[in-house]
Amino acid sequence: AAGVIQSPRHLIKEKRETATLKCYPIPRHDTVYWYQQGPGQDPQFLISFYEKMQSDKGSIPDRFSAQQFSDYHSELNMSSLELGDSALYFCASSFQSGRGLETQYFGPGTRLLVL
Amino acid sequence: AQSVTQLGSHVSVSEGALVLLRCNYSSSVPPYLFWYVQYPNQGLQLLLKYTTGATLVKGINGFEAEFKKSETSFHLTKPSAHMSDAAEYFCAVSSDSNYQLIWGAGTKLIIKP
Repeated sequence: AAGVIQSPRHLIKEKRETATLKCYPIPRHDTVYWYQQGPGQDPQFLISFYEKMQSDKGSIPDRFSAQQFSDYHSELNMSSLELGDSALYFCASSFQSGRGLETQYFGPGTRLLVL
Repeated sequence: AQSVTQLGSHVSVSEGALVLLRCNYSSSVPPYLFWYVQYPNQGLQLLLKYTTGATLVKGINGFEAEFKKSETSFHLTKPSAHMSDAAEYFCAVSSDSNYQLIWGAGTKLIIKP
């Protein structure tokens, strides 16, 4: 079965640079979530989109922005990168159906290292 | 507000022994409860979830969990541990009023030969 695809899988950037992470949800899934997992930490919710509209916002820094496109893929744009942004970034997708019980399926993550 | 507490950042069991990973939650609305597993350098995989109905939920790889509303718990168990179960396990909660997953801190399961 098709899974959530994230690209790139690994990314190395320097401080103050920008990065763009991409997420391709499971076909027919209309909701995308972004999470950040620091070393040894639990995932922290950043932002989510339902039907191309932002549906919820978590602890996403102002330096980050995201959007969901007409084909339901999503991009997380990160600017003025800081050392503390080094983490594993997960994307998850679900079929919302207006309820929170839908399972979120996670991609393999993008490991970002900021030097 | 919702929160999740996982007791024990590390749990060590012998191969073949019972696995018990504890998860307690707080939620002012009916919760949906999930257990995810994360193998080293990999993504998060759903083990099982509770939404409504039967409180004993069976998942993949022989794991099961029981929703106990009176104890606000959703502990994960497996009768006999296998070396391949070594991973980090995360308990999470969501609800109809809060779709994002609220995560516990995770429990690293170590299997001793």
